[in-house]
Amino acid sequence: GAVVSQHPSWVICKSGTSVKIECRSLDFQATTMFWYRQFPKQSLMLMATSNEGSKATYEQGVEKDKFLINHASLTLSTLTVTSAHPEDSSFYICSARVGGNEQFFGPGTRLTVL
Amino acid sequence: DAKTTQPPSMDCAEGRAANLPCNHSTISGNEYVYWYRQIHSQGPQYIIHGLKNNETNEMASLIITEDRKSSTLILPHATLRDTAVYYCIVKGSWGKLQFGAGTQVVVTP
Repeated sequence: GAVVSQHPSWVICKSGTSVKIECRSLDFQATTMFWYRQFPKQSLMLMATSNEGSKATYEQGVEKDKFLINHASLTLSTLTVTSAHPEDSSFYICSARVGGNEQFFGPGTRLTVL
Repeated sequence: DAKTTQPPSMDCAEGRAANLPCNHSTISGNEYVYWYRQIHSQGPQYIIHGLKNNETNEMASLIITEDRKSSTLILPHATLRDTAVYYCIVKGSWGKLQFGAGTQVVVTP
């Protein structure tokens, strides 16, 4: 199946700093990429949808100025958590889709903000 | 996209078939039924999807009722590695995958 990678797999940062997470589709070109967040013992929550070369569309309640998404190419999307705070600590998961159907997920990035 | 209802948890004996139900009574004619699973601390893994007909692949079988208001995911021979949260999601083409609470499946020896 299609492979999606994320980097880093885990990161610890100080409060107030920014953290960038990369999402890559390794063996296919993704028309659309998605970013999810998952808190402990909860389900995945969709944060935003991005298409290559255009601005991301954020779900209601997600601050676009805090969670910056750049979809520079058909194989790379980045999520930057700006001015991170302890409440931003979470499991961030990206996914990539070709066309309208199957969506493949990355392994996730564990962010801990001290 | 239509919402789904799944039991919160299920136990299954290793080697037996696991039948995971999902209700989606408000599904529209152009919406697909997708199944994903998430093993602890990993990203979700695609299992199978279907529109009307039953589907089978190397991982599982998907049985969709004729009225499409419910479906069952069948893991034919559950192993300990199948312990995970299983998500049933209904979405149209080009729609977004929105995850509900899913079913926590525990496979026991």
